[in-house]
Amino acid sequence: DAKTTQPPSMDCAEGRAANLPCNHSTISGNEYVYWYRQIHSQGPQYIIHGLKNNETNEMASLIITEDRKSSTLILPHATLRDTAVYYCIVRAWGSNYQLIWGAGTKLIIKP
Amino acid sequence: GAVVSQHPSWVICKSGTSVKIECRSLDFQATTMFWYRQFPKQSLMLMATSNEGSKATYEQGVEKDKFLINHASLTLSTLTVTSAHPEDSSFYICSANSGPNQPQHFGDGTRLSIL
Repeated sequence: DAKTTQPPSMDCAEGRAANLPCNHSTISGNEYVYWYRQIHSQGPQYIIHGLKNNETNEMASLIITEDRKSSTLILPHATLRDTAVYYCIVRAWGSNYQLIWGAGTKLIIKP
Repeated sequence: GAVVSQHPSWVICKSGTSVKIECRSLDFQATTMFWYRQFPKQSLMLMATSNEGSKATYEQGVEKDKFLINHASLTLSTLTVTSAHPEDSSFYICSANSGPNQPQHFGDGTRLSIL
C-alpha cells in the first residue's frame, strides 16, 4: 500500500471549514483514499473514501486531485467535537488488506 | 449500520492473569476482523488478522502464544492476553469489514492496565 504524508497538527476556528491535506504521490491505480479520525481514547471512526472523483457525505467532503497524488478532507463547519487525529490511508478496494496507519494530523478546533 | 462492539472498555488486573477481550459485529457478518494495539501518543499497530473458522495471521513480532485469537463465528472474535505483564498495558482495538467492498469499522477499544 502507498504511504501518505500529512501535517502533524492544524488549528481551525469553530464554525469555519477545516481543510486537511494529504499527499499520496505513490498511489496505485486500484487504490482508494480513505479518511478516518480518532477522538481521544476512542476507536477510529470512518469518515469518507474515494477513488478519483470528489465525494461528499453527511460528515465531510473529499477532494482528490486529477493526478490522484494528493487529496483534501473538508469539514465544512467545524465544531469542538471535531477535535481529533485525522488519518489519511490508501488501500486497494475489494480486499481485506490491513490499513497502514501513519501519524495522522492532530486537528484542534478552537472556540 | 456497521456497528462494532468491543467489551470490556476498561480492565485492570494483576500481573500474571489472563484477560479476554470480545469484539462483536452487531448488524453485519464479518469474515475478517483485525486486532490493533495503540500505545500513548502513537498510531495504531496491527497485531493480527482474524479469519472466521481458521487460524489468525499474526504480524511480525507479535507472539501468537501470548495473544490468542479466536474467531468462532461471523460476528465474534476474541483476543486473550495470556499471563499479562505491565508491558502489555495498552489500548487494544478491533475492527471489521462490513462487506466485500466496505470500509473497516472499529470498536471503541479496550484499555488494559496490568499492575
